[in-house]
Amino acid sequence: QKEVEQNSGPLSVPEGAIASLNCTYSDRVSQSFFWYRQYSGKSPELIMSIYSNGDKEDGRFTAQLNKASQYVSLLIRDSQPSDSATYLCAVKEYSTLTFGKGTMLLVSP
Amino acid sequence: DVKVTQSSRYLVKRTGEKVFLECVQDMDHENMFWYRQDPGLGLRLIYFSYDVKMKEKGDIPEGYSVSREKKERFSLILESASTNQTSMYLCASSPHGRGLYNEQFFGPGTRLTVL
Repeated sequence: QKEVEQNSGPLSVPEGAIASLNCTYSDRVSQSFFWYRQYSGKSPELIMSIYSNGDKEDGRFTAQLNKASQYVSLLIRDSQPSDSATYLCAVKEYSTLTFGKGTMLLVSP
Repeated sequence: DVKVTQSSRYLVKRTGEKVFLECVQDMDHENMFWYRQDPGLGLRLIYFSYDVKMKEKGDIPEGYSVSREKKERFSLILESASTNQTSMYLCASSPHGRGLYNEQFFGPGTRLTVL
């Protein structure tokens, strides 16, 4: 059974700080990795995808991938209260995704 | 933008009823998925389909069936609803692919309560 592990949190950061969310996965052959944001009562929304080792930046978001360590992270710079949500890490296997259970992020004003 | 719609946001049914949840996507995606999401258990895959009339079991198919008669529509069926099927049901779609680009896009979800 392939596994995707995330700290459930909550991770609490003050407004303007950098939030760092982490994810580890068990399947060495995984090639594609995704971060979803899910607000309470809403469905997951894709915010980042990453396929190569290193960093990928999109606005305030940076995804980092280290395949040797089987580790994916998401950095959120200048965190805002509107970033308060649960962040789901997902790893692709064939045509399906395996999701972690998510990390709750709380950004306080 | 990818648009995935689900037939109901909230649904209340009685034990033993047959329940249909409908999902429609407008991006010509080959793959469609049904998940349920429960507190502490995360997203769990029920069934998925990679083509019309094709279906594959996910991690928790028991008590569910699916139908895909048209490419854009994927239905989840609860043959005889039970209280342990009370959950948030999420539909998603993605382009075909064993390649890298297989992002899944979710519908708004249906919160089903079985009394």
